[in-house]
Amino acid sequence: ETGVTQSPTHLIKTRGQQVTLRCSSQSGHNTVSWYQQALGQGPQFIFQYYREEENGRGNFPPRFSGLQFPNYSSELNVNALELDDSALYLCASSLTSGTQETQYFGPGTRLLVL
Amino acid sequence: AQSVTQLDSQVPVFEEAPVELRCNYSSSVSVYLFWYVQYPNQGLQLLLKYLSGSTLVKGINGFEAEFNKSQTSFHLRKPSVHISDTAEYFCAVTSSGTYKYIFGTGTRLKVLA
Repeated sequence: ETGVTQSPTHLIKTRGQQVTLRCSSQSGHNTVSWYQQALGQGPQFIFQYYREEENGRGNFPPRFSGLQFPNYSSELNVNALELDDSALYLCASSLTSGTQETQYFGPGTRLLVL
Repeated sequence: AQSVTQLDSQVPVFEEAPVELRCNYSSSVSVYLFWYVQYPNQGLQLLLKYLSGSTLVKGINGFEAEFNKSQTSFHLRKPSVHISDTAEYFCAVTSSGTYKYIFGTGTRLKVLA
């Protein structure tokens, strides 16, 4: 158990809809990263939040957005859903302290877009 | 740019046999390397990591990996596998000052009775 939780565990949406996924970080961690894992692939970096600000972004369009709250929990929002957004979305928390951080992953939210 | 290659998409092995899962990376700077395991319908669990120091790293569940800078490799090994080791294994690389991990495409380890 990593102490990182995500909700919901599964979600079904239709094309064009919007979705919000939630992540609760491990206690003491101040950084959260989001990854998309398509079926049969490795996780792809979406973005990272540190102290409530976006700290870096991968090759994902602006319809993927996020938030980090003062308690370091986080949300991933996806607008105008497309079929290719169907994937497992993983949240990872870490402690940014000037040295190399290790990311600890939650169980993921499986999103199916119909 | 950094990248990770896991050459074997699937590795079948009999129970109690040794196994090696291969990982090669490319990077122009010093790297940090990780192996994660993913059981069906679950998230990623950290097996082991190389940050610095000894090039032989021991992890959980009897796994170990060796960092080889000259061959840019970080292969994962276990001397005797169990049925319960059946899972997907991912190698990942990052570096100092970088905020993201780059993952390989994964190796599916299937342990046969």
